[in-house]
Amino acid sequence: QVQLVQSGAEVKKPGASVKVSCKASGYTFTGYYMHWLRQAPGQGLEWMGWINPNTGDTNYAQKFQGRVTMTRDTSISTTYMELSRLRSDDTAVYYCGRGYTLDVWGRGTTVTVSS
Amino acid sequence: QSVLTQPPSASGTPGQRVTISCSGSSSNIGSNTVNWYQQLPGTAPKLLIYSDNQRPSGVPDRFSGSKSGTSASLAISGLQSEDEADYYCAAWDDSLNGPVFGGGTKLTVL
Repeated sequence: QVQLVQSGAEVKKPGASVKVSCKASGYTFTGYYMHWLRQAPGQGLEWMGWINPNTGDTNYAQKFQGRVTMTRDTSISTTYMELSRLRSDDTAVYYCGRGYTLDVWGRGTTVTVSS
Repeated sequence: QSVLTQPPSASGTPGQRVTISCSGSSSNIGSNTVNWYQQLPGTAPKLLIYSDNQRPSGVPDRFSGSKSGTSASLAISGLQSEDEADYYCAAWDDSLNGPVFGGGTKLTVL
């Protein structure tokens, strides 16, 4: 079945970087854009950007430009989201989601930023 | 501050029909289709309605969506206790070249 499996929880110090992975299975990896979103504790969903797994093209939300990098490895059907210069307000659950309708989601990766 | 506007809360009793509104602008809802997501406590969002009014396989027909102009609505009929969740609307935004979301509506089944 179609599945997105994300990497495990992370705890980081302010100023550090975090890299979260999202491994796709059950469908043609290069056939769907992959989006990254986050949800801070008790808050709503926030879109961070997308990557085209076929070409590697990306589009980042303005809020994250300069701090976020999305990449992919087609050989293992995996996309990555790296966020740098972490702050305490980056503490959130980070999700990957498939395609225009976000019809499939990963289970989320909790990133905690704390000194 | 979310781009799409939803009421923060809604409620109903079992069996009732409830609706959740979602308001946007010409660059998102006005020119693209609307999707709705259900997020049960402690879980990832799940696609509930896509393309304004289409249900993915497995979603009960108690859930329906509609759109008019720059606003959309989600209706839940025959409310059940397991419908208690957060509901988010979303639409592609041509200015951002990405999806925008509502702030979410917490549905309570009384």
